[in-house]
Amino acid sequence: NAGVTQTPKFQVLKTGQSMTLQCAQDMNHNSMYWYRQDPGMGLRLIYYSASEGTTDKGEVPNGYNVSRLNKREFSLRLESAAPSQTSVYFCASSEALLVEGLTQYFGPGTRLTVL
Amino acid sequence: LAKTTQPISMDSYEGQEVNITCSHNNIATNDYITWYQQFPSQGPRFIIQGYKTKVTNEVASLFIPADRKSSTLSLPRVSLSDTAVYYCLVGDGIGGNKLVFGAGTILRVKS
Repeated sequence: NAGVTQTPKFQVLKTGQSMTLQCAQDMNHNSMYWYRQDPGMGLRLIYYSASEGTTDKGEVPNGYNVSRLNKREFSLRLESAAPSQTSVYFCASSEALLVEGLTQYFGPGTRLTVL
Repeated sequence: LAKTTQPISMDSYEGQEVNITCSHNNIATNDYITWYQQFPSQGPRFIIQGYKTKVTNEVASLFIPADRKSSTLSLPRVSLSDTAVYYCLVGDGIGGNKLVFGAGTILRVKS
């Protein structure tokens, strides 16, 4: 049982390049989330997926797109990377859309640098 | 979403009990209080969650007064490995799950 896995662990992009961050969970969770964390700050929600087939914007969705490929996988795409998107990206999952509380399980993160 | 206020940092020594207080004056009736721990270069990890009174698990205790406008995370007998950032979150997750992590409290445990 690996929990939440993310690939890649590290990535360097040039401005304008595109890439997709992958996330998978093996806990049979319905809901999945993407956050970004800038140095010295807390996490900010980018997008979330309440269940397979649905996605919604979070606090900072501009410049990103997501795909809930199936129940296990939730990807985050940067179509045209900008230096302001340099950050650590965390994927998380939960059994449901946290209606019984706020318990999420986080992946190890992807450290992205945009030059 | 209820805003939370925590101390920016705290220092402690091994073996001491550490109490981190979080203020959430605008907490709503349906909101839960949850604490996460984050080590450098790792994702946050759930520690404890409560709604009212006291909750205890194998890692920590959470004290919530009757008015629920604050909560205190208590870590008994901390060790060096408890050095981390601790986040207090308040919300019910309904209506979009717009979880907001503040800057958290940096806990430094010294030997």
